[in-house]
Amino acid sequence: KQEVTQIPAALSVPEGENLVLNCSFTDSAIYNLQWFRQDPGKGLTSLLLIQSSQREQTSGRLNASLDKSSGRSTLYIAASQPGDSATYLCAVSREVYSGGGADGLTFGKGTHLIIQP
Amino acid sequence: GAGVSQSPRYKVTKRGQDVALRCDPISGHVSLYWYRQALGQGPEFLTYFNYEAQQDKSGLPNDRFSAERPEGSISTLTIQRTEQRDSAMYRCASSLDRVSTEAFFGQGTRLTVV
Repeated sequence: KQEVTQIPAALSVPEGENLVLNCSFTDSAIYNLQWFRQDPGKGLTSLLLIQSSQREQTSGRLNASLDKSSGRSTLYIAASQPGDSATYLCAVSREVYSGGGADGLTFGKGTHLIIQP
Repeated sequence: GAGVSQSPRYKVTKRGQDVALRCDPISGHVSLYWYRQALGQGPEFLTYFNYEAQQDKSGLPNDRFSAERPEGSISTLTIQRTEQRDSAMYRCASSLDRVSTEAFFGQGTRLTVV
C-alpha cells in the first residue's frame, strides 16, 4: 500500500526566504505526482503536476522536483510572501496497467506553512 | 462548468438518516473522483469513475457508502444510515481523462452527523 509522508508538518518563516517542502512515497511505481495548495475552508488548488518520466516542473516562484527511484519530491518556493501561507499537499497516483493511465491519488498529511510579514 | 461544483456546501444530519452528496465535474472531464478528508489529514481516496463506469471502489469504508454517475457527468455519493464517524469533508475532483490526470477539486461538502 502506497504511503506518502510530508516533512515538516509545519513551518514558519519570515517573508522573503526561500524554502523547501519535502514529500516521500514508499512505492516508486507512480504515474505522476501532484502538489496542491489548501486554504482554510476552501478546496484544493493544483500547483504543479510532474509525470513519472519528468524530473521537475516550474510555475512562477514554484519549482517541484521528482526523484522517482528514491521516492522523493521537493517543492521549492522562492522569495516567500505572506500570501503563500497555506497547507501544501503532495499526492501520487498509481499506474493502472490494464487500459493504461492512472487511478486515484494517495495524499500526504500536508505541510502547514506560515509566512511571517 | 468553469470548475467542479459540489452541493450542498454544508450538511447537518441526524444519525441514522441517509444523505446524498452531489458533484458536477468540469465539462468534458471523463474521470471523476471522490475523497474524504478528516481534520488535519490529507484527502483519502474513496472511489472513481471513467464516464459512467465505476472503476475502483476499494476506498469506500463499508457498504453504507455508494456512488453513481449514471450519465457520465454528475455524480452522487450516498451514505445510508449515517453515523457520527462519517462526519468529514467530502471532496470531489475531476480530470480530463485517466491519462491526463491533473485533478481539479471542488470546494467540498462538510458533513456533520449529530
